[in-house]
Amino acid sequence: DAGVIQSPRHEVTEMGQEVTLRCKPISGHDYLFWYRQTMMRGLELLIYFNNNVPIDDSGMPEDRFSAKMPNASFSTLKIQPSEPRDSAVYFCASSLMGAQETQYFGPGTRLLVL
Amino acid sequence: GENVEQHPSTLSVQEGDSAVIKCTYSDSASNYFPWYKQELGKGPQLIIDIRSNVGEKKDQRIAVTLNKTAKHFSLHITETQPEDSAVYFCAASITGSQGNLIFGKGTKLSVKP
Repeated sequence: DAGVIQSPRHEVTEMGQEVTLRCKPISGHDYLFWYRQTMMRGLELLIYFNNNVPIDDSGMPEDRFSAKMPNASFSTLKIQPSEPRDSAVYFCASSLMGAQETQYFGPGTRLLVL
Repeated sequence: GENVEQHPSTLSVQEGDSAVIKCTYSDSASNYFPWYKQELGKGPQLIIDIRSNVGEKKDQRIAVTLNKTAKHFSLHITETQPEDSAVYFCAASITGSQGNLIFGKGTKLSVKP
């Protein structure tokens, strides 16, 4: 398996623009997680899905953030409108059985909002 | 909710020496404690984990210890090598929680040849 795939790897955009981050989890994994990593706050869970259904989005910072998982092999994290404070590395991870089993992280998307 | 504190934030050792990273957690209901290694430009990767019914676990040069009473756990790396240089994260997950893995802030380990 190729592992968790994320695109794009780097994104530079201007404040106010819409940003869409994409993730393909490992085939057969029932759980998908979106994390944000910054120097100040470390690794934070934004939202996670089980069998394509959003279970907990309490980590989503505000209504500008939304996530979808239309099928078992694809998820998106959207920021609209983007702000400079959204600049961070966004990781997608997948696992077979949730947070208490190995989570396999993608390479991340480094987002810079100018 | 759960809070995980990790120390030190940076650690520099000579090749061949041992390295120890310590974490404390706040919620006694936590029962799963993984350690992740993150190399530059990559996502975190699980290197070892321990559950609350076990006090110690080893995998070659890496070991993790857990003290449930004191609510702390530690990562021990022996005979360090330059390729061990990375950022290490501890984490904790509460019993029954399928989504919430709380991470420490990370330790940047540098192994000098």
